[in-house]
Amino acid sequence: QVQLVQSGAEVKKPGASVKVSCKASGYTFTSYGISWVRQAPGQGLEWMGWISAYNGNTNYAQKLQGRVTMTTDTSTSTAYMELRSLRSDDTAVYYCARASKGSSFLDYWGQGTLVTVSS
Amino acid sequence: SYVLTQPPSVSVAPGQTARITCGGNNIGSKSVHWYQQKPGQAPVLVVYDDSDRPSGIPERFSGSNSGNTATLTISRVEAGDEADYYCQVWDSSSDWVFGGGTKLTVL
Repeated sequence: QVQLVQSGAEVKKPGASVKVSCKASGYTFTSYGISWVRQAPGQGLEWMGWISAYNGNTNYAQKLQGRVTMTTDTSTSTAYMELRSLRSDDTAVYYCARASKGSSFLDYWGQGTLVTVSS
Repeated sequence: SYVLTQPPSVSVAPGQTARITCGGNNIGSKSVHWYQQKPGQAPVLVVYDDSDRPSGIPERFSGSNSGNTATLTISRVEAGDEADYYCQVWDSSSDWVFGGGTKLTVL
């Protein structure tokens, strides 16, 4: 069965960086993309960006351009999301999700990783 | 940028039908997807491409999309359907876009 397993919770100081991992199993990793979505406490879902696990092409949300980098390691079927220059409003649960082929829905989600930014 | 508008809350009695709307400019020309999120859990896809259901999702969940409004309909609502629901589309100028979410309360 398809599974996305994310790394554990992180606490970071303002200005620091965080790197969240998302290990995929149960499907051919390079046949799909991975989107990252975050959710601030009590708020809605915010799309952060997408990466093709086939060729590494990326597409980032405009508001995060310059601060976010998404990568994949096909040898371990793992996707990564790095966010730099953290601010308090980056405190959120970060999700990875598999992006469907041929359409735009996100059919499988990781369990989420809480990133807390606090001095 | 493309904006999706959802009502903040919808309330329904058990056994009744809940309808959650998602408004957007000419949304009928786009594929709309719906996610259910229960407290402390990751979102779950319940309807994709306007009206298709992933395997394992009850037939009580259905969707429609026309004009400027897409609708998620939940028939014979159960207590376990209480959750936040989000609509989502892909737009060429905004990429993946989510609605603000609707909290479904089962009375």
